[in-house]
Amino acid sequence: EAGVAQSPRYKIIEKRQSVAFWCNPISGHATLYWYQQILGQGPKLLIQFQNNGVVDDSQLPKDRFSAERLKGVDSTLKIQPAKLEDSAVYLCASSLRVYSGGAAADTQYFGPGTRLTVL
Amino acid sequence: AQSVAQPEDQVNVAEGNPLTVKCTYSVSGNPYLFWYVQYPNRGLQFLLKYITGDNLVKGSYGFEAEFNKSQTSFHLKKPSALVSDSALYFCAVRDMENYGGSQGNLIFGKGTKLSVKP
Repeated sequence: EAGVAQSPRYKIIEKRQSVAFWCNPISGHATLYWYQQILGQGPKLLIQFQNNGVVDDSQLPKDRFSAERLKGVDSTLKIQPAKLEDSAVYLCASSLRVYSGGAAADTQYFGPGTRLTVL
Repeated sequence: AQSVAQPEDQVNVAEGNPLTVKCTYSVSGNPYLFWYVQYPNRGLQFLLKYITGDNLVKGSYGFEAEFNKSQTSFHLKKPSALVSDSALYFCAVRDMENYGGSQGNLIFGKGTKLSVKP
């Protein structure tokens, strides 16, 4: 079974530029997550999709970050304009089911991440 | 608010010795707990999880974790460490307070760096 795919693996940009990240979840997984991992910290959720709908974007800096999952499969995360503090690893994860009592037990599987450096 | 704490920034063990990476949690209700490992320049790899049932959970690569409700802990263990186990380990808890429509997100600890010396 193929895992979660992400691209690019590395990106270096200057502040105020824009950048986009792509994620393809495990086939059949309905829920997709984007996390931000700053050096020395654990990942923190940015946004969660169930199929093609957003169910939690409370921690997404919406003035500069946007994300979409138009067909309920792959997803893109965009930053425009980037700031120095956006330097981090951006992780995509997926899990099998949408919200249900049992879905809380589902494992989230992570992609390799995109390391963003903003100069 | 729900949270996890990993009190050790780094754990050093000799190859062949047992290892323990500590995690404590704070939740309302029953906890859903997870351990992940992260190798350099790699994403997080799932090791094991506790949902319900036996307090001793067995996972990948010979790791296991013991759920202790009275001590609110979920320590990761391995009987005999390998040099290849050297990595960053993260404990996480499902955010069940916000579980409703959003499936409850994972709240991660800050991570513990495990170093296994030959």
